[in-house]
Amino acid sequence: EIVLTQSPATLSLSPGERATLSCRASQSVSSYLAWYQQKPGQAPRLLIYDASNRATGIPARFSGSGSGTDFTLTISSLEPEDFAVYYCQQRSNWMYTFGQGTKLEIK
Amino acid sequence: EVQLVESGGGLVQPGGSLRLSCAASGFTFSSYWMSWVRQAPGKGLEWVANIKQDGSEKYYVDSVKGRFTISRDNAKNSLYLQMNSLRAEDTAVYYCARDLDNSADYWGQGTLVTVSS
Repeated sequence: EIVLTQSPATLSLSPGERATLSCRASQSVSSYLAWYQQKPGQAPRLLIYDASNRATGIPARFSGSGSGTDFTLTISSLEPEDFAVYYCQQRSNWMYTFGQGTKLEIK
Repeated sequence: EVQLVESGGGLVQPGGSLRLSCAASGFTFSSYWMSWVRQAPGKGLEWVANIKQDGSEKYYVDSVKGRFTISRDNAKNSLYLQMNSLRAEDTAVYYCARDLDNSADYWGQGTLVTVSS
């Protein structure tokens, strides 16, 4: 089973700052890596698929990069609505696993 | 508009069974893999199972193999999760999700399953 490790567990930043979230896979997942945003009481929302492709309707301030085992989600300038929990997810052999999440909180 | 609406959650005793349903609309259901994902209270996301467009392939997380069965009825645009031998650790919100490009692009709002005596 491929394990995804996200860091940091919690990230404290202010609106307008740049956020950089990391996801590391225990073995290569090629580019089969997605990122989700989840707010309290809501279902997750797909942000990025296949490592670097923005999902429909996702603002350009969200970007993804990486391949193999190391991936990054960058939010270029934080808006108040961006404070949430973020998960990475990989697909291998038709099965998915998620990282444990990074909580992005207001400083 | 793509919509996924889960139902069937509730309180069940350990060892009991429950069947979850997901009604899909706004897209050609039979063209997509579909998944169930769960989230225990205060915890992260855990993928549970997925199923191919025609139901010919199904995959499960190890912790539910032999207890849960995923199925679909393309004529009814519906996805199901039959859960047997339920345990306290199966307590979670269960989400139905549409698979696309190695990710889940649409999610339902979830249905809560509580396993407790």
